[in-house]
Amino acid sequence: ELKVEQNPLFLSMQEGKNYTIYCNYSTTSDRLYWYRQDPGKSLESLFVLLSNGAVKQEGRLMASLDTKARLSTLHITAAVHDLSATYFCAANRSGAQKLVFGQGTRLTINP
Amino acid sequence: NAGVMQNPRHLVRRRGQEARLRCSPVKGHSHVYWYRQLPEEGLKFMVYLQKENIIDESGMPKERFSAEFPKEGPSILRIQQVVRGDSAAYFCASSLGGQTSYNSPLHFGNGTRLTVT
Repeated sequence: ELKVEQNPLFLSMQEGKNYTIYCNYSTTSDRLYWYRQDPGKSLESLFVLLSNGAVKQEGRLMASLDTKARLSTLHITAAVHDLSATYFCAANRSGAQKLVFGQGTRLTINP
Repeated sequence: NAGVMQNPRHLVRRRGQEARLRCSPVKGHSHVYWYRQLPEEGLKFMVYLQKENIIDESGMPKERFSAEFPKEGPSILRIQQVVRGDSAAYFCASSLGGQTSYNSPLHFGNGTRLTVT
């Protein structure tokens, strides 16, 4: 059974600092997703990572995938308050349709 | 283009009543997924449907829960005889094809927040 684990689960950081959220998954997966969720809202897709070594960047966020280590990272550069949200990674077991989500990382960025 | 539309946004039911949650996928999408999110937790897969077919219901509780995606109309998640533990946010998502065939992520609706009193 595919398990997806994120850490840390809670992260409080200062504006302007850099930090990384880690996402480990337990079995071979076709692809890895990162989503953002604001309180009471739906999930917004950030990145889809398809292959080993894939790196994608959007603004202050950069995601990478290491399929051999079964690890994805979401790196935040020079954080700003607007990035405060809960971030989820999700993966699917190879050949399966459903996504398995991590527990989420609640990120709070303080001025 | 309208995204995934879910209604109602908020639903309050007393214990023992029935809850019906509706989901209209993105136009042209034929694959629908239902997820449940308990407070402070991640999303848990419930069921995956294509038009008129249930493909994977491995995350659905064995009793009281059912889902359908008819040829015409929205997908419906139905919870009979609700209990307090059913209180959660229920999200619907859609995709153009099966996820393993396409690069695009799931498109999520805004969710229905069910409160059982």
